[in-house]
Amino acid sequence: QVQLVQSGSELKKPGASLKVSCKASGYTFINYALNWVRQAPGRGLEWMGWINTDTGNPTYAQGFTGRFVFSLNTSVNTAYLQISSLKAEDTAVYYCARRMYVSGYTLFDYWGQGTLVTVSS
Amino acid sequence: DIQMTQSPSSLSASVGDRITISCRANQTIYRYLNWYQQKPGKAPKALIYAASTLQSGVPSRFSGSGSGTDFSLTINSLQSEDFAIYCCHQSYSSPGTFGQGTKVEIK
Repeated sequence: QVQLVQSGSELKKPGASLKVSCKASGYTFINYALNWVRQAPGRGLEWMGWINTDTGNPTYAQGFTGRFVFSLNTSVNTAYLQISSLKAEDTAVYYCARRMYVSGYTLFDYWGQGTLVTVSS
Repeated sequence: DIQMTQSPSSLSASVGDRITISCRANQTIYRYLNWYQQKPGKAPKALIYAASTLQSGVPSRFSGSGSGTDFSLTINSLQSEDFAIYCCHQSYSSPGTFGQGTKVEIK
């Protein structure tokens, strides 16, 4: 069965960096794009961007350029989200989500369990 | 960016009730509208795509309708496991934007 398993919660100080992993199983990794979605405390979902798992080409939403980097290791079917120069406002749950594409429509059909990132001094 | 507005922001209902949640886009998104269900501390779960197509495994008591700018999610005969937050999401243009969510609570 399809699974996306993310790395565990992180507590970081402002200015630090972190890397969240998203390991995929149960399907052909390079056939589906992986998206990243943020959910700040008490707020809605915010799309951060996506990475083409075939080419490795990332696309970032506005507001997620510069400090945010999407990457892959296709040998272990894993996508990564790296955030540098962490700020308190980066505190959120970060989700990876597989993008399904059917008849011209897209849907995030499978999601990781989420990674809570807390940035605090 | 396309703005997605849901209403109501919360509602109270009883098991067995029929409820409808609305989602409005500030420009046409044709039928590029998805619905997700999210329970506390859990990842969102896909319910509906293309405005009205049920994702595999989703019970038939869930249905979606609409096109253009106005959409709705209906749950017939609400079950205890349906109490959650429901969120719409447009996939017509980048960035894909989400509604703020509608919390369905037990009356």
